[in-house]
Amino acid sequence: RKEVEQDPGPFNVPEGATVAFNCTYSNSASQSFFWYRQDCRKEPKLLMSVYSSGNEDGRFTAQLNRASQYISLLIRDSKLSDSATYLCVSAQSSGSARQLTFGSGTQLTVLP
Amino acid sequence: DVKVTQSSRYLVKRTGEKVFLECVQDMDHENMFWYRQDPGLGLRLIYFSYDVKMKEKGDIPEGYSVSREKKERFSLILESASTNQTSMYLCASSLHPSGQGNQPQHFGDGTRLSIL
Repeated sequence: RKEVEQDPGPFNVPEGATVAFNCTYSNSASQSFFWYRQDCRKEPKLLMSVYSSGNEDGRFTAQLNRASQYISLLIRDSKLSDSATYLCVSAQSSGSARQLTFGSGTQLTVLP
Repeated sequence: DVKVTQSSRYLVKRTGEKVFLECVQDMDHENMFWYRQDPGLGLRLIYFSYDVKMKEKGDIPEGYSVSREKKERFSLILESASTNQTSMYLCASSLHPSGQGNQPQHFGDGTRLSIL
């Protein structure tokens, strides 16, 4: 079982829709989480950091459920420019810089 | 804004060559990382460094080495390139963990390396 699992998609949604991605993690020691977006043939870019129960930034909301060991990303009012692959990342202990684990990503296409 | 710069966007080398990939960051980050990304396999950590002259193996270090002589620069070396090392290589940097936990990593543009 992968440490961080994501539904690979693809998710194809119309412009203006609300879409949610789930990410499950297996290591209960995971302390903090990140969502990155990666455009085709580009580098991952940080979208959001989650250190407590959740975070909100404009149209994007991340929610963390430690009991069930999943984190979700909600995108409201989808734009064409939101089309990308979204990577879920978990960070284990704070004692080692190594302990970031990347999911394989969920592909989103927003259709006109 | 954090700036992580990789020396080449595209690189073509031959089997058996020694290949150097350079990465420089301008935000005084302690940690630096080298990943490769392949379709269906996601990001895989090759090596990382948490201080000058310090390095640790990641998940797939075989066939690679690294060098960190200065804080801002982290080099990845393919000692004798092979075709299975054709990939997208991504460098990243981050601050040391804070009281909240691990800090996010900031990535360079990536180097698409082809080994013929």
